[in-house]
Amino acid sequence: SQTIHQWPATLVQPVGSPLSLECTVEGTSNPNLYWYRQAAGRGLQLLFYSVGIGQISSEVPQNLSASRPQDRQFILSSKKLLLSDSGFYLCAWRYFNEKLFFGSGTQLSVL
Amino acid sequence: SQQGEEDPQALSIQEGENATMNCSYKTSINNLQWYRQNSGRGLVHLILIRSNEREKHSGRLRVTLDTSKKSSSLLITASRAADTASYFCAALSGSARQLTFGSGTQLTVLP
Repeated sequence: SQTIHQWPATLVQPVGSPLSLECTVEGTSNPNLYWYRQAAGRGLQLLFYSVGIGQISSEVPQNLSASRPQDRQFILSSKKLLLSDSGFYLCAWRYFNEKLFFGSGTQLSVL
Repeated sequence: SQQGEEDPQALSIQEGENATMNCSYKTSINNLQWYRQNSGRGLVHLILIRSNEREKHSGRLRVTLDTSKKSSSLLITASRAADTASYFCAALSGSARQLTFGSGTQLTVLP
């Protein structure tokens, strides 16, 4: 069966520090991969998606970047965090036009 | 931009009652999906309805889709305290590779 791992669950970082969030998927090949951000009490904002290794599409210009070095690995990064980067980050994968499978999320607090 | 918008934003009911949440979207869709999110967790897929379907059932869940009104509703029958969560609709447009989420309905089921 397919599973998705996302870590860490909670992260507190100072402004200006770098960020690396990792997401891996097991049990499937060539999935579409996604990074979403959720502000408190709000819906999900799509940040990046990838349809294959090295293929990244950005939905919102911002302080973040994403990379897909392997088929089932998706990384969200920042060189210098801003206060506005705080939020709940969710990784997800999808096959074709069907449902999304989400990781458990990372609560990022930038102080 | 938001494709799906839910209403109400918050709903509080007694255990055993039915809960109805509505979703409106803006463009033509391939399918519409409903997700559930417990506080601080990832989203879990509940049900998917395709653009050529009008109604779908899954256990205590009933989803309807009216493409002429660009709207969908999620009905949870005989609610339980464990149904307390946020519920999101997500629309997959005809040409898009990603789902666009609404801002969610916070459902509280009182025991």
